[in-house]
Amino acid sequence: GAVVSQHPSRVICKSGTSVKIECRSLDFQATTMFWYRQFPKKSLMLMATSNEGSKATYEQGVEKDKFLINHASLTLSTLTVTSAHPEDSSFYICSAQSSPGTTEAFFGQGTRLTVV
Amino acid sequence: AQTVTQSQPEMSVQEAETVTLSCTYDTSENNYYLFWYKQPPSRQMILVIRQEAYKQQNATENRFSVNFQKAAKSFSLKISDSQLGDTAMYFCAFMKHAGANAGGTSYGKLTFGQGTILTVHP
Repeated sequence: GAVVSQHPSRVICKSGTSVKIECRSLDFQATTMFWYRQFPKKSLMLMATSNEGSKATYEQGVEKDKFLINHASLTLSTLTVTSAHPEDSSFYICSAQSSPGTTEAFFGQGTRLTVV
Repeated sequence: AQTVTQSQPEMSVQEAETVTLSCTYDTSENNYYLFWYKQPPSRQMILVIRQEAYKQQNATENRFSVNFQKAAKSFSLKISDSQLGDTAMYFCAFMKHAGANAGGTSYGKLTFGQGTILTVHP
């Protein structure tokens, strides 16, 4: 099946700094990618839809200025957590469909962010 | 908006036994897809099984099968002959049918239930 690679798998950053997480589709082009956030032993909550060549669509309650999403190419979407605080510590997961109209979502391995 | 509810936070089963995980959902859509995903300790999301709402026949994948009751908006997962490797968190998920909006920016969004932690005991 299609492969989505997410990097880094773990990152620790200091409070007030920014951290970038990359999501790459390795063997297919993804016009749309999705970013989810997951707290320990909890569900995945959709944060935003990343659209290649246009602005991301954020879910209600998600701060656009804190979670910057860039989808500059058909194989790469990035999520930047700006001015990180300890409450931003979480597990972040991206997903993508291999083509419009398909239903199977391919997930990255996830990134565990710890803000100290 | 869609909601997905998993009312069993944790379940356990003996190896080789059968277990059923429950899921209910609420939607005003007529065409949609339902999924069960598995998240093992590695945290990688793995698709277990998929059901298309317009198909009456319940989906099966080897030891995994679903009981899809569209009128009741119920979508349970049955795992037969449970194996130690089945230990994971299981999520029920909902996706709208593409319809005319297959290339639209909202297509492909998944709404997940709260999850059920399944432990298979030897």
